[in-house]
Amino acid sequence: ETGVTQTPRHLVMGMTNKKSLKCEQHLGHNAMYWYKQSAKKPLELMFVYSLEERVENNSVPSRFSPECPNSSHLFLHLHTLQPEDSALYLCASRLHARERYEQYFGPGTRLTVT
Amino acid sequence: AQTVTQSQPEMSVQEAETVTLSCTYDTSESDYYLFWYKQPPSRQMILVIRQEAYKQQNATENRFSVNFQKAAKSFSLKISDSQLGDAAMYFCAYRSSGATNKLIFGTGTLLAVQP
Repeated sequence: ETGVTQTPRHLVMGMTNKKSLKCEQHLGHNAMYWYKQSAKKPLELMFVYSLEERVENNSVPSRFSPECPNSSHLFLHLHTLQPEDSALYLCASRLHARERYEQYFGPGTRLTVT
Repeated sequence: AQTVTQSQPEMSVQEAETVTLSCTYDTSESDYYLFWYKQPPSRQMILVIRQEAYKQQNATENRFSVNFQKAAKSFSLKISDSQLGDAAMYFCAYRSSGATNKLIFGTGTLLAVQP
């Protein structure tokens, strides 16, 4: 248990559906991240929120829309996805302070787009 | 741009033996951090060990230690007295400079532990 939870753990959606992934951290952190993990590829950073402000959008298609309403919650809204978007989506958080560079990860949401 | 390379897609070790996982990276920065993360079959990524580039001493965490060779840009992970619970995917990661604390990951090494 690392203090970062993600729901749902598994999601199957059609290409025309709209769904949201949720991440919650209980560690008092103030920076949160979304990563995409595909087979045989390095983790890809998607979005970074620091102090509730989006500070990085790593050329992610607009069909992925993040939301960070407060420092404990992070959402990833999905709409009109493509089959190649099927992957494990990982959320991570860290304390935005000097010398605290470790990121703590959630268990991930396994997304399948049909 | 920084890159991280893990050249061993899969490794296997006998229980109680020692195994070393390789990682090399490319960067022009002089001050940075390196990490090893473990991802067991349950999928939760766990930090194993970290190394500050300005420290010459290799980091150690119980049975896990690193061999950090800054000039060679090499950062290998040694697991001593391997246990069945060590079986997992291991990722090497580099922390890039800047306020976002972006981590750049390698492709991972899948470690199997044989009883």
